[in-house]
Amino acid sequence: GENVEQHPSTLSVQEGDSAVIKCTYSDSASNYFPWYKQELGKRPQLIIDIRSNVGEKKDQRIAVTLNKTAKHFSLHITETQPEDSAVYFCAASSPYNTDKLIFGTGTRLQVFP
Amino acid sequence: GAVVSQHPSRVICKSGTSVKIECRSLDFQATTMFWYRQFPKQSLMLMATSNEGSKATYEQGVEKDKFLINHASLTLSTLTVTSAHPEDSSFYICSARAGWEGYTFGSGTRLTVV
Repeated sequence: GENVEQHPSTLSVQEGDSAVIKCTYSDSASNYFPWYKQELGKRPQLIIDIRSNVGEKKDQRIAVTLNKTAKHFSLHITETQPEDSAVYFCAASSPYNTDKLIFGTGTRLQVFP
Repeated sequence: GAVVSQHPSRVICKSGTSVKIECRSLDFQATTMFWYRQFPKQSLMLMATSNEGSKATYEQGVEKDKFLINHASLTLSTLTVTSAHPEDSSFYICSARAGWEGYTFGSGTRLTVV
């Protein structure tokens, strides 16, 4: 079945620096790749997503890139702020696999003032 | 946007009892609902896919007789944890795909079995 790997598991950066989180997926039929931010005990919050027909998408300080050939996608956060500190999850879904969303293992991002 | 309402948000039950968790899609019809379990400091692990009017599809390693899923209507899916034990204590969360809007999540249920 689909497997999504995510690295790093923890990431510490100084305020203002950039943060990059990388994910790889196994199912080449996957066509939807969202990124979520989750606070303790809360539901995942969608921060950005990308579909397989584009290679890059940007929303202010957040961007996602997708390399379908290599089956990996990355989250880029620029000008990080302390409030960006949270756990981030990547995920992937395939329409040929009941559209179920499979999550990566998560990255705990800490932004130090 | 699409909203999924999940109840209860927290439940404490005694070992050996059963607990039912409900997820309702409020402004759209969810033909498919996904159920996840999340242990502390871990990822969301897909337990099963619930399809309206048919049997749920369980992921490998998930006991279907322990985690009963019912999806009797297009707006309601339920997960019942039967004969709960302390190791079942976890955060359970449902999700549905609302067309091209992506996935919408319930608010989660914190289950504690004592």
